[in-house]
Formats: sequence, C-alpha cells, structure tokens
Amino acid sequence: QVQLQQSGAELVKPGSSVKMSCKASGYTFTSYYIYWIKQRPGQGLEWIGRIGPGSGDTNYNEKFKGKATFTVDKSSSTAYMQLSSLTPEDTAVYYCAREDGTYYYSFAYWGQGTLVTVSS
Amino acid sequence: DIQMTQSPASLSASLDEIVTITCQASLDIGNWLAWYQQKPGKSPQLLIYGATSLADGVPSRFSGSRSGTQYSLKISKLQVEDTGIYYCLQHYSAPYTFGAGTKLELK
Repeated sequence: QVQLQQSGAELVKPGSSVKMSCKASGYTFTSYYIYWIKQRPGQGLEWIGRIGPGSGDTNYNEKFKGKATFTVDKSSSTAYMQLSSLTPEDTAVYYCAREDGTYYYSFAYWGQGTLVTVSS
Repeated sequence: DIQMTQSPASLSASLDEIVTITCQASLDIGNWLAWYQQKPGKSPQLLIYGATSLADGVPSRFSGSRSGTQYSLKISKLQVEDTGIYYCLQHYSAPYTFGAGTKLELK
C-alpha cells in the first residue's frame, strides 16, 4: 500500500534552515508528483508546490519561491523540502502528499506531517 | 490565483441532520475539485474527488455535487464521527488552492 513517511519534528532558530524528508513506499516513486502543503497552527492548508521525482521538474507557489526548495533521492525513494531564512511565520506542520489518477489526480495519499517550530 | 470561497466557516448540527458545505470557485475549474476531512492532529483524508465521486472507504452518506462554479459537500445523516474540519481543494490550476475550511461540530 502507498505510504508516505515524514521525518520528525524540528525546533529551529530564526534565520536558520531546515530540511525535512518524505519517504515513499508501496509504488514506483518516479511515476507520481510529490506535493508539499503547509498548515500553520489552527489555520488552513496552503499549497507550497510539487516535484516530479522522475524528471526533477518543480513548480512552486510564487509565495514560497526563495523559501522552499524541493529535491529527491531516487535511490531511497525520498523527497525533501528545505526551508530557508526561517521566521516564526514558518512555524507550521508541513505535509507531503501524492496525487493519484484513479482519484482525478487529487491528493489521495498524505504523510503524517512534520512540525517545524521556529523559536529562539 | 483561483480563489475558493468556502462557507460556512463553522457549523453546529444534530445527529442525523443533513449538512451542506459549499465552495465557490472564482474561475471555471471543471471537476478538478476535491473535498477533505481533517481530524485534530491528523492529516487530511480524501472524501470526494472529481467533484462528485466518493473515495474508497468513505461512507455513502457523503456526497458531492457541482452547479457551475459552485461545489457542495453534503452529509445526509450526520454521525458523531463526522466532526472535524472540512476543506475543498481546486487542483485545476497552479497554485492549487484550498478553501478556508468549515469546522463541523455536534450540537
């Protein structure tokens, strides 16, 4: 079965960077885009962007350009998102998700989320 | 960016009541609309895809409909386990955008 396993919670200082992971299993990693979504505490969901693991093709929400960087390691079926120049506004749970053509390419599978807390 | 205007922001309903949540898209997005339920501390779960299709394992009391650029999620007989926050998502055009969410509680 499709699973997306995300890395653990991070406590980081303002101005620093953080890199989180999303390990995929149960399917051919290079065949589906991986999406990244942000959810601030008590707030709604925000689309950060996506990466195609096979091609390395990326699309970023303009709002997150310069903030987020997507990479993949095909050998380990893992997608990564790095966030830079962190501020308290970056404190959030970050989800990875995968689309599925069976479900009209909606986000059918989600990781459990990585909580990033930015605090001095 | 395509705006998704979701209403109501919160809703309190009784067991077995019919509940309807709507999302209005600012542009034509066709059937590229999904609905999600999120429980506290959990990831969103897919309920409806393609605007009207029920995801696997989702109870049949959930249904989705479309009228032009207005999309609705209906729960025909509210159950205890249906409490949570519901979001719509348009995935027609990047940046994909979510509705602001509807918090559903039991009265």
